[in-house]
Amino acid sequence: SYKLTQPPSVSVSPGQTARITCSGDALPKPYAYWYQQKSGQAPVLVISKDNERPSGIPERFSGSSSGTTVTLTISGVQAEDEADYYCQSPDRSWVFGGGTKLTVL
Amino acid sequence: EVQLVESGGGLVQPGGSLRLSCAASGFTFSSYWMHWVRQAPGKGLVWVSRMYDSGRTTYADSVKGRFTISRDNAKNTLYLQMNSLSAEDTAVYYCAREAYSGGSYFFDDWGQGTLVTVSS
Repeated sequence: SYKLTQPPSVSVSPGQTARITCSGDALPKPYAYWYQQKSGQAPVLVISKDNERPSGIPERFSGSSSGTTVTLTISGVQAEDEADYYCQSPDRSWVFGGGTKLTVL
Repeated sequence: EVQLVESGGGLVQPGGSLRLSCAASGFTFSSYWMHWVRQAPGKGLVWVSRMYDSGRTTYADSVKGRFTISRDNAKNTLYLQMNSLSAEDTAVYYCAREAYSGGSYFFDDWGQGTLVTVSS
């Protein structure tokens, strides 16, 4: 199986833009699924296929891709966005990235 | 509203066994692939196993031969029988529902997790 690589941590101030990358040389499609996991809670899907946001996910969350790297962008970060974020390969390999801790300064 | 509620976690000695349960409600349980995903303390998410029916199950290499996934559609419950446990199996175990969209696969609902601690 292949590996998805995420930066361990990203820090931004409130109101700034956070970008979390997920790279994999064998990513099967030009997108990934993104989950948010707040401390002590279960993961929650925040970005789906074709940059879709599930019901209840704010518009400031978006996804994009370039080459073998997909990116979760959070525009106008708020304190409540502080969490761990995981990308997941969109195939039946069920591979997750290692996770990125987003700190809101 | 979809609900997934795990139970059965706890402290177990190395070499011991434990059975986890995941009670599902709010959807037609028998129509979905269901998964177990685990997360060791301070670590990331790792897929463990998936099941549709008794003839369609898959396991991660790390648990193959030790863990058995099963389900009772009449009770809307998913199970994970874990044998020969070691410290490396210490984790929060999540039950998750598989979703499919346009050729891609993901998890659209998760339970709150149950903690398994393997220690003497």
